[in-house]
Amino acid sequence: EAGVTQFPSHSVIEKGQTVTLRCDPISGHDNLYWYRRVMGKEIKFLLHFVKESKQDESGMPNNRFLAERTGGTYSTLKVQPAELEDSGVYFCASSQPGLALTDTQYFGPGTRLTVL
Amino acid sequence: AQSVSQHNHHVILSEAASLELGCNYSYGGTVNLFWYVQYPGQHLQLLLKYFSGDPLVKGIKGFEAEFIKSKFSFNLRKPSVQWSDTAEYFCAVTRPHNYGQNFVFGPGTRLSVLP
Repeated sequence: EAGVTQFPSHSVIEKGQTVTLRCDPISGHDNLYWYRRVMGKEIKFLLHFVKESKQDESGMPNNRFLAERTGGTYSTLKVQPAELEDSGVYFCASSQPGLALTDTQYFGPGTRLTVL
Repeated sequence: AQSVSQHNHHVILSEAASLELGCNYSYGGTVNLFWYVQYPGQHLQLLLKYFSGDPLVKGIKGFEAEFIKSKFSFNLRKPSVQWSDTAEYFCAVTRPHNYGQNFVFGPGTRLSVLP
């Protein structure tokens, strides 16, 4: 079974540019999460999709970040315009569908974003 | 706000030494507890998890963790580490709600095992 995949693995952009990160969850996983780890700090939750709906986006830092999950399959996270403090590793995770409260989240390899 | 602390930023051990990584959380209600590991160049992998039942949880690769509710702790242990255990270890807590669970991670502990 394929795991969670993320693209690109590394992105280097200049301040003010736009970047779109993509996450493909494990097939059949309705829950999809985005997390971010800024250099030297802890991994922080950004948002949670259940299928195509945003269940919780309380962790999104500001309106420069836009996440979508059209069709309930893969998800994109767009940063526009990017700022220096957006640099970090962006992780995606997915888990089984339904209301099970004990599902394990499976993480992707992350996308390392560097904003110059 | 819910938070997770890990006692050590960087731990250096020799092979065959015993390991204990501390984790404490601040939330007083029902929690699910996890340890994840990230080996160099790889993605986060689940080591073990606790939801209920026996507070001593056994995971993969010889790791175990003990949930002590009175101390709000979930320390990770391994009796004898190997060079291949060199990695970064993350404790995480979730508070279950209706749909899924959002992790609160600790800052991570980097483990270096010397051959």
